[in-house]
Amino acid sequence: QKEVEQNSGPLSVPEGAIASLNCTYSDRGSQSFFWYRQYSGKSPELIMFIYSNGDKEDGRFTAQLNKASQYVSLLIRDSQPSDSATYLCAVNRGGGGADGLTFGKGTHLIIQP
Amino acid sequence: NAGVTQTPKFQVLKTGQSMTLQCAQDMNHNSMYWYRQDPGMGLRLIYYSASEGTTDKGEVPNGYNVSRLNKREFSLRLESAAPSQTSVYFCASTGTSGYTGELFFGEGSRLTVL
Repeated sequence: QKEVEQNSGPLSVPEGAIASLNCTYSDRGSQSFFWYRQYSGKSPELIMFIYSNGDKEDGRFTAQLNKASQYVSLLIRDSQPSDSATYLCAVNRGGGGADGLTFGKGTHLIIQP
Repeated sequence: NAGVTQTPKFQVLKTGQSMTLQCAQDMNHNSMYWYRQDPGMGLRLIYYSASEGTTDKGEVPNGYNVSRLNKREFSLRLESAAPSQTSVYFCASTGTSGYTGELFFGEGSRLTVL
């Protein structure tokens, strides 16, 4: 069974700084990697997905994937108080994509004004 | 565009009672999923339906049954509720041509079993 590990936090970052969230996964055959944001009492919403080694940037967010180290990270630049949430890392359960995702337990991020 | 709709949003049951959580999506997605989320445990997959007419067990299927009623609807049934099934339940869907594998979630159903 695939496992996804995240530091539960809380991770406290000053407003305007870079927040760095990390995730490791157990299955070397994993192909698709996702970062979700979840506000308290709300459902998860997708921030980014990444398939290939390297960096992928979308606005203030950058996802980084290193398959050799089985490591995925999410960088949030110019952190805002509205970024305070739990961030969930997820990987595909199967090769076809229809088997769903395995989630980590999430990292609670707090942006301090 | 409603996306993924779950009902009910809140429910309180007594131990041994049964209930069904309903989920419907209007995005023409092929695959649907039921997850539960507990404090400190993250999201765990209960059951999923990769396509209409199929269902498969996830990580934590015991105590649950599912029905893929049609392409739009996927229900989760608790036959005899137990306090350990107190949780927030999320339905999700994915899968059209060119899909990325990302899941689209409903708003969640908060279930308390006394």
